[in-house]
Amino acid sequence: GAGVSQTPSNKVTEKGKYVELRCDPISGHTALYWYRQSLGQGPEFLIYFQGTGAADDSGLPNDRFFAVRPEGSVSTLKIQRTERGDSAVYLCASSPRTSGRKSSYNEQFFGPGTRLTVL
Amino acid sequence: KQEVTQIPAALSVPEGENLVLNCSFTDSAIYNLQWFRQDPGKGLTSLLLIQSSQREQTSGRLNASLDKSSGRSTLYIAASQPGDSATYLCAVLSGFQKLVFGTGTRLLVSP
Repeated sequence: GAGVSQTPSNKVTEKGKYVELRCDPISGHTALYWYRQSLGQGPEFLIYFQGTGAADDSGLPNDRFFAVRPEGSVSTLKIQRTERGDSAVYLCASSPRTSGRKSSYNEQFFGPGTRLTVL
Repeated sequence: KQEVTQIPAALSVPEGENLVLNCSFTDSAIYNLQWFRQDPGKGLTSLLLIQSSQREQTSGRLNASLDKSSGRSTLYIAASQPGDSATYLCAVLSGFQKLVFGTGTRLLVSP
């Protein structure tokens, strides 16, 4: 079946502009995650959705970053007033479900990422 | 705060060698540990997932071990091939559904 897809694959923008990055999770997956990977680093957690709501947004670096998932499927990561330091690969992942208990876990399946370059 | 470290940062070996990648984490209260592979310009491919109650997992030429009390995991690759060349990332589940990643080991296997 189809995996996690992300669009665009590459985005070049100018400092100060607004960008939107889209993630289409695997069909039926209720949990969705955004991570950011800077050059030479491992991915860093940004935000996690369970259904339509953000269950944990503790990784968002500041209030210029916002993410939505209005219908519990597709998610959009929005970045306002972009800065050069926002340049990175933004990765999306989904998993089938969570039980709501810390002791449970479902494997996260990652998309190919969106490479964002802020000039 | 959970921190994950991977050693070495880069590794170059001739084809056919067996090799070991190391991962360490500071907080032993993890729920599981996962090894990923990342090819240039690509997303992450999950290789092995070890639950906190398990000691190791195997898949083909790959074997991953977990020593939770000492905060360590190793990924063993047997009979390496040029197609194994990639970056290998270790990640622990620390907190509710939040993966914490290491910085990765870049592996190059020469024919």
